[in-house]
Amino acid sequence: DTGVSQNPRHKITKRGQNVTFRCDPISEHNRLYWYRQTLGQGPEFLTYFQNEAQLEKSRLLSDRFSAERPKGSFSTLEIQRTEQGDSAMYLCASSYDKNIQYFGAGTRLSVL
Amino acid sequence: QKEVEQNSGPLSVPEGAIASLNCTYSDRGSQSFFWYRQYSGKSPELIMFIYSNGDKEDGRFTAQLNKASQYVSLLIRDSQPSDSATYLCAVYNNAGNMLTFGGGTRLMVKP
Repeated sequence: DTGVSQNPRHKITKRGQNVTFRCDPISEHNRLYWYRQTLGQGPEFLTYFQNEAQLEKSRLLSDRFSAERPKGSFSTLEIQRTEQGDSAMYLCASSYDKNIQYFGAGTRLSVL
Repeated sequence: QKEVEQNSGPLSVPEGAIASLNCTYSDRGSQSFFWYRQYSGKSPELIMFIYSNGDKEDGRFTAQLNKASQYVSLLIRDSQPSDSATYLCAVYNNAGNMLTFGGGTRLMVKP
């Protein structure tokens, strides 16, 4: 069991650029979640996949954000036209049991 | 009102003492409750989950749930300096298919 893997670990970008993050869940997990965490706050839910279907999206997920899980395995989260307010830790979690979620190490995004 | 409330702390306890962390939630439909530990700059690590009213013990950790009072707590016995971290309370509601987190309580265990 290799755990949830996220890449890259850190991303520095200029305002207006597009960025893409990848998440590889624990292999037998069919559910995959994206959260965002800013300093001093708890993680906030962004979106959820069951297999390849995106079943939930938070209102936090503006039209600049898109997530995919094309074959029900890894997932990507893309942010277009990044803004300074997008700077945060982006966390991916996966689960088999619908409740118990395990987190990856996260991708820290800094928008300059 | 936030859906999941925690005192931000810091909560400071001496080494060897019992640390008591508390959390309240607003959604009565919540069904599962979780405690995650998060070290500075790291991601959340699951340490306990509880589904039913009462206590659940795992090593030095005890989770307590009172659904009538919408209250969940975490006790850490024989606290160690390595327990110093932020503890996040999270609540799962089947209707939402997501975890809702509190803001976390920062625990400091002093040698």
